[in-house]
Amino acid sequence: DSGVTQTPKHLITATGQRVTLRCSPRSGDLSVYWYQQSLDQGLQFLIQYYNGEERAKGNILERFSAQQFPDLHSELNLSSLELGDSALYFCASSVRDTNTEAFFGQGTRLTVV
Amino acid sequence: DAKTTQPTSMDCAEGRAANLPCNHSTISGNEYVYWYRQIHSQGPQYIIHGLKNNETNEMASLIITEDRKSSTLILPHATLRDTAVYYCIVRSTANTGNQFYFGTGTSLTVIP
Repeated sequence: DSGVTQTPKHLITATGQRVTLRCSPRSGDLSVYWYQQSLDQGLQFLIQYYNGEERAKGNILERFSAQQFPDLHSELNLSSLELGDSALYFCASSVRDTNTEAFFGQGTRLTVV
Repeated sequence: DAKTTQPTSMDCAEGRAANLPCNHSTISGNEYVYWYRQIHSQGPQYIIHGLKNNETNEMASLIITEDRKSSTLILPHATLRDTAVYYCIVRSTANTGNQFYFGTGTSLTVIP
């Protein structure tokens, strides 16, 4: 158990809908990262927050957004869902925003039908 | 961040040492080498990281060549539970965010 909690574990929704994925970082970790893993793309970095502020942005679609709240939990919002958004979404956390290992949660499996 | 090159797949007999190589010939002085593994769609698991000295922890050893252009992850006594995809990642220590860029990794199969 990495100490990073993601909810829900599984989510099935229809195209065009909007969903919110939640991540609770390890106690004491200030930085949160989101990754997407689909079958044909591997692990893709989406976005990183540090202590509530966006720190780095990767290949995140405009239909996706994220935020980190004062209690340091983070949410990833996915809207206007398409079939191709079906994937595993992982959250990771680390103590600092640089020069340190990150620990991953067990992911949310999103299926868009 | 520097790119890494890893073999696509490897086999290892159970109980033997698994040696997973990684080339990172364009690594710069402020970049660390990290190793993660992912077991069948679970969340990636941190294994070890290092800058230029060899490192060892309860899971594995990391051997980095003197010129830092390559490294080897060693699992000393591989078990069936070590079957996974292993990712070698090079990351800058610069204050540009802590994102890890995962490549395709090495799929390690431990054979009974």
